[in-house]
Amino acid sequence: GDSVTQMEGPVTLSEEAFLTINCTYTATGYPSLFWYVQYPGEGLQLLLKATKADDKGSNKGFEATYRKETTSFHLEKGSVQVSDSAVYFCALYSGGGADGLTFGKGTHLIIQP
Amino acid sequence: DGGITQSPKYLFRKEGQNVTLSCEQNLNHDAMYWYRQDPGQGLRLIYYSQIVNDFQKGDIAEGYSVSREKKESFPLTVTSAQKNPTAFYLCASSITGQGVYGYTFGSGTRLTVV
Repeated sequence: GDSVTQMEGPVTLSEEAFLTINCTYTATGYPSLFWYVQYPGEGLQLLLKATKADDKGSNKGFEATYRKETTSFHLEKGSVQVSDSAVYFCALYSGGGADGLTFGKGTHLIIQP
Repeated sequence: DGGITQSPKYLFRKEGQNVTLSCEQNLNHDAMYWYRQDPGQGLRLIYYSQIVNDFQKGDIAEGYSVSREKKESFPLTVTSAQKNPTAFYLCASSITGQGVYGYTFGSGTRLTVV
């Protein structure tokens, strides 16, 4: 079945540091890939997405490139801020009958001033 | 503005009680979902519904029940059969067959057994 693997957290960085959160996946066919962000006590918000190989999703300074050859969708940001502290979820949709997304376990990001 | 509304934000349940979590959307989405979130476990699918009057079990349906009498509403009942119900519950919706665009989530309900 489909699965998503994310790096374990928490990830702690200083403000203005470069961020990478790794995400790899296993899926049938050619899935769509997503990054969601969850701030404390809130639901998930779609951060960015990519629907085919080599697509780059981007939003709010975050980027991720759909790499079919390595089955990866790593999240990056050049200079993080304290306000980026949150939990980040990688997810995929492969068009299965449930119309459902498969989520990774989430990575807790902590940015220190 | 369109969106998903979950209520209440916090809910306390006594042992042996059934409680119902509300989820309402005005996005005109056909599909709705309930997820449970526990620390370090990510999101686990409880139930989903792709059309009115139809729903399917997810990965952890035992101890839960749902109904879908209206397109806009997908309430979740946590029954006394659910042995460990303390968790954060998230409702989501999507345009059926277009999961490629992702989901819209509500802001969640935190359920605590007292």
